[in-house]
Amino acid sequence: GENVEQHPSTLSVQEGDSAVIKCTYSDSASNYFPWYKQELGKRPQLIIDIRSNVGEKKDQRIAVTLNKTAKHFSLHITETQPEDSAVYFCGLNTGNQFYFGTGTSLTVIP
Amino acid sequence: EAQVTQNPRYLITVTGKKLTVTCSQNMNHEYMSWYRQDPGLGLRQIYYSMNVEVTDKGDVPEGYKVSRKEKRNFPLILESPSPNQTSLYFCASSLAGSNYGYTFGSGTRLTVV
Repeated sequence: GENVEQHPSTLSVQEGDSAVIKCTYSDSASNYFPWYKQELGKRPQLIIDIRSNVGEKKDQRIAVTLNKTAKHFSLHITETQPEDSAVYFCGLNTGNQFYFGTGTSLTVIP
Repeated sequence: EAQVTQNPRYLITVTGKKLTVTCSQNMNHEYMSWYRQDPGLGLRQIYYSMNVEVTDKGDVPEGYKVSRKEKRNFPLILESPSPNQTSLYFCASSLAGSNYGYTFGSGTRLTVV
């Protein structure tokens, strides 16, 4: 299957600081790159996505950037708040299948 | 309310006893999929379905079966569960394929003893 590498696996930041999570992939045909947030004991929820014809997308405090040449995309969270603490998964499509990264556990310290 | 309904939420069973986890969506989504979530491994795709009567293997299909007789339902069947299938399972659906965002069910925590 597709190899999606997600880093870091854990991340701690002070409240108000920024957090960046990066995913790299290998299939140049992938064209859909979403990010999901999973709070403890809950289901994953889509927070932002980007398609291959766009380099950056922003929604309030979160943004996603895509570098198709280098085959990586990143989630940026600014002005972090304690409620941002969760596990974040990147994902991408390869053909008809969909793959997730292994997740990043983000802790925002008040 | 648009949702994916998955049952049961928790299940403890014994090795070899056939079980079915049900999944139903009310959004008229074409694409449905099953994932298992294990610590350190993220979410791995078991099976997916592009539409009614169209199913295909994901990355970890061994020991599982699915069916898609109706658009809204996509049950996951474990014909002879084994302890290595102890996991958290999620059903998910998307509008029209792997290039649309998922709506997830609430998850099924399965323990096979």
